[in-house]
Amino acid sequence: EDQVTQSPEALRLQEGESSSLNCSYTVSGLRGLFWYRQDPGKGPEFLFTLYSAGEEKEKERLKATLTKKESFLHITAPKPEDSATYLCAVQARRGSARQLTFGSGTQLTVLP
Amino acid sequence: DAGVIQSPRHEVTEMGQEVTLRCKPISGHDYLFWYRQTMMRGLELLIYFNNNVPIDDSGMPEDRFSAKMPNASFSTLKIQPSEPRDSAVYFCASSFRDDRDQAYEQYFGPGTRLTVT
Repeated sequence: EDQVTQSPEALRLQEGESSSLNCSYTVSGLRGLFWYRQDPGKGPEFLFTLYSAGEEKEKERLKATLTKKESFLHITAPKPEDSATYLCAVQARRGSARQLTFGSGTQLTVLP
Repeated sequence: DAGVIQSPRHEVTEMGQEVTLRCKPISGHDYLFWYRQTMMRGLELLIYFNNNVPIDDSGMPEDRFSAKMPNASFSTLKIQPSEPRDSAVYFCASSFRDDRDQAYEQYFGPGTRLTVT
């Protein structure tokens, strides 16, 4: 069974204070690992897809990295508008299966 | 593109009533997914379709839940009869045509917040 564990559950940062969110996963062959951002009352918003260990992707203040067992979402000099819940999900390479298994998320609060 | 469209955005109903949630996927996407999100269980996949055909419904909690996709631009999730424990936010998501066994991201709608009293 595919499993995704995110830590910490909640993180409070001061504006400009860089940090990282962790996503540990167990999957029988990884097709892709996804990061999403979810604001209150809205649906998850796609951020990144990572396909293989060693891969990195960046978008503004966010950088996602991938190893064989975990992924990190690094936030550099965050701003209050980065406050949201960040979700990690995996898609297994299992035949034609396309479902995602999500972690429980990290709720990030950036204080001005 | 308007993105994934869901209706209604909010639904309040009494226990025992039938509830129908609606979804219009992004044009050109051939996968459609229904999820449920609660504080206790997070985001859970209920069912997904490929080219309007249900592929995996193992996440549907019980026979009270059913989903259909009569055409490429419309899907429904029905709960009959509804119960208070069905209260949650229900999301619909769609994904690209998948020609090369690659992982394509899913795009989510705004969700329907269902409250069953």
